Amino acid sequence: NAGVTQTPKFQVLKTGQSMTLQCAQDMNHNSMYWYRQDPGMGLRLIYYSASEGTTDKGEVPNGYNVSRLNKREFSLRLESAAPSQTSVYFCASSDGSGQGGEKLFFGSGTQLSVL
Amino acid sequence: GQSLEQPSEVTAVEGAIVQINCTYQTSGFYGLSWYQQHDGGAPTFLSYNALDGLEETGRFSSFLSRSDSYGYLLLQELQMKDAASYFCAGEMDSSYKLIFGSGTRLLVRP
Repeated sequence: NAGVTQTPKFQVLKTGQSMTLQCAQDMNHNSMYWYRQDPGMGLRLIYYSASEGTTDKGEVPNGYNVSRLNKREFSLRLESAAPSQTSVYFCASSDGSGQGGEKLFFGSGTQLSVL
Repeated sequence: GQSLEQPSEVTAVEGAIVQINCTYQTSGFYGLSWYQQHDGGAPTFLSYNALDGLEETGRFSSFLSRSDSYGYLLLQELQMKDAASYFCAGEMDSSYKLIFGSGTRLLVRP
């Protein structure tokens, strides 16, 4: 059982380049999330998708776009990368039952450097 | 605004008990979760408190007081493998938006 799979694991971009981070989960979860984590800091929510077909902004959405392609997949796109977007990106999923206590399952992360 | 505050670092001795505190300010608060993250790894879920009181899971316990907007994670019989960062997280605005604190780095001394 793979859980949450993110690709790529590492990426180096030049300022202004674009790229898409891919995320897929095989747990039949309704909700999916993208977080970024900067050194020595907590996770900040970029976007989330409570269910297939819906997406909502989190704490730091500027400079990013997302697509909930289907129930399994949730991608994060950087249209024009900036050095401030250098970070570790985590995708996560949860059952999304709406009862509270969402238990998030995280992917292994993508380390992104923008030069 | 919405925020969760934690101490940046806590140090304890192997075999001891350590408490990591979390205070929060938010509207539409559902409950408080705790996650563990080892260096270079992904966060993993530890516990969740929806109601006031203590929840126990093995060596780990978590406490919530809604009236005080305060919770803590208690780790007993500390082991070297418990050295990690611990994050409290809360669901805000009655939504699925899970917001994390900045994390507490736990150092365990032999």
